[in-house]
Amino acid sequence: AQSVAQPEDQVNVAEGNPLTVKCTYSVSGNPYLFWYVQYPNRGLQFLLKYITGDNLVKGSYGFEAEFNKSQTSFHLKKPSALVSDSALYFCAVRDESGGYQKVTFGTGTKLQVIP
Amino acid sequence: DAEITQSPRHKITETGRQVTLACHQTWNHNNMFWYRQDLGHGLRLIHYSYGVQDTNKGEVSDGYSVSRSNTEDLPLTLESAASSQTSVYFCASSRGTTGELFFGEGSRLTVL
Repeated sequence: AQSVAQPEDQVNVAEGNPLTVKCTYSVSGNPYLFWYVQYPNRGLQFLLKYITGDNLVKGSYGFEAEFNKSQTSFHLKKPSALVSDSALYFCAVRDESGGYQKVTFGTGTKLQVIP
Repeated sequence: DAEITQSPRHKITETGRQVTLACHQTWNHNNMFWYRQDLGHGLRLIHYSYGVQDTNKGEVSDGYSVSRSNTEDLPLTLESAASSQTSVYFCASSRGTTGELFFGEGSRLTVL
């Protein structure tokens, strides 16, 4: 069965330090991978996606993610965290052969950037 | 700018009542979705539609229904609200086969 794991419920990082939000996945075929961010009382916003090609994907607001097929991971990163990056982050995956109905979301990781 | 809007943003209702949550998008996307968000569960798919007159059940569809009479709208109806349906509901849309989802701001429903 398809699944996504975000092993950390919360990540704390000091402003200006690099940040990493972890995501591992399991699909039967080739994965399509996504990161979304949710600010309080708002809907999810798309950050970036991996479909194929370069393993390092760059997205909105200076975020990037690295696809690692051997480790089945797709960790979200940013070189220098901002207080405004504090939010809830969701990883999502679907099998290349699946439709949208087969998108699976992780349970989310709360990122807290400390001034 | 194109957008996706949900209404109402907040709703309190009683057990057994019928409730309809509206979703309207101006992206002209064929694909539309309803999710519910609950602590510890992430987002779970309720229903989805790939076009006018097309509707499909998702992972947690029991007690919910949708209809798609035009491209812009996908209303979600709770036929007889239950306390277990207290949640935050998100509508989303997308285009193509690999595109990302565009989410509405959410509708917080409380069933007493």
